[in-house]
Parts: sequence; C-alpha cells; structure tokens
Amino acid sequence: AQKITQTQPGMFVQEKEAVTLDCTYDTSDQSYGLFWYKQPSSGEMIFLIYQGSYDEQNATEGRYSLNFQKARKSANLVISASQLGDSAMYFCAGNQGGKLIFGQGTELSVKP
Amino acid sequence: DGGITQSPKYLFRKEGQNVTLSCEQNLNHDAMYWYRQDPGQGLRLIYYSQIVNDFQKGDIAEGYSVSREKKESFPLTVTSAQKNPTAFYLCASSIQGQPQHFGDGTRLSIL
Repeated sequence: AQKITQTQPGMFVQEKEAVTLDCTYDTSDQSYGLFWYKQPSSGEMIFLIYQGSYDEQNATEGRYSLNFQKARKSANLVISASQLGDSAMYFCAGNQGGKLIFGQGTELSVKP
Repeated sequence: DGGITQSPKYLFRKEGQNVTLSCEQNLNHDAMYWYRQDPGQGLRLIYYSQIVNDFQKGDIAEGYSVSREKKESFPLTVTSAQKNPTAFYLCASSIQGQPQHFGDGTRLSIL
C-alpha cells in the first residue's frame, strides 16, 4: 500500500520569499501520481499541482512547482514569492487504484 | 457554475441517531468519494464509488453507509454505530486519472 509522509507539522516563511514543503512517498507501483492540495482555514481543499511518475519534467503551475526526485521518492512543493494568502494547510497525496492517500499535512504561516 | 455541493455546512447529531450528509456534483464525474478529517490530521477515505450503483469501502468504513443511485449524488449516512462521529466530512469527485475536486465540507458534532 502507498504511504505519504510529510515531516514538517508547521513552517514559517517571510512574505515574498520562497518555501519548500517536503513530501516523501512509498509505493511499489510502477505508475503513480502525486498531488498537492491547499486547505485554508475555511476547510475547502484546493488542488494545486500534479506530478505523474513518468513525467520527465517537474510540474509547474504559476508560483507552484514540484521538485520531483524519483530515486529519493520525494515530491516537494516549492512556493515562490510567498503571499499572505498562502497561509494554510498543505497536503501531499498519492493515488492508489483511483483512491487518494493523504499525508498528515504541513501548516504554512506567511509572515508580513 | 459546475462544482460539488455539500449540505448542510454544520450538522448536529444526538446520541443514537442516524444522520445523512448530502453531496451533489454537476461535473459529470464518474467517481465520487467521502473523506473524514479530524483536527490536525490528513483526510481518511470512508467510501468511494467509481460508477453508478457500485461503491467500495475505504479505510474507515465502519459505522458509515452510502448509496449511489444517481451519477450526480453520493449521500453518506453516519449511523449510530459510529461511536466517534465528530469530524469534518469532505466529498470529492473526479474523472479517472484526474485530480479530485472537493466540496466545502460538512462539520458534524454530537449534542
């Protein structure tokens, strides 16, 4: 079974700086996908970015990029030029047979 | 606009009572999912359905039941057998292989 590990319960970053949120995964599947979601205090889950195991390039979506290192089984989220509105919980998730397996999340706080 | 609607936003349950959480989507997605989130935790899968009239148990299905009679609807019933139902419940839908889209959630509390 797939397991997703996020080792940073909380992170602080200064506004306008970049921050990296860690995610490691453990799977025996040859083909898999990794997702990042943002959860503001209001509770909704917002999809940010996706990386497929066979994608040759790291995924990017605006200020979000994914540092995918297959050999290390890591899929870290990089947020560039942090904004106050980026303060939220961030979850890494992997797909397994159509289901998502979530990590425990990282709470990001952006300081003005 | 297309999306997922969960209702109610807040729900209170008395001891020994069953309650049903609604989830409706107009995205024409085949697959729908129910997750439970406890404070400070990630999401755990309760039930999922990849096609109408079919559904499978997730990791924490005990004390819950679902139905999938229509493509757009996937209601979740929290039965009296669920001894610790207080949590935030999220519904999601997706097309196979695509990211899941989530509703705004329902917060369930015990009176």
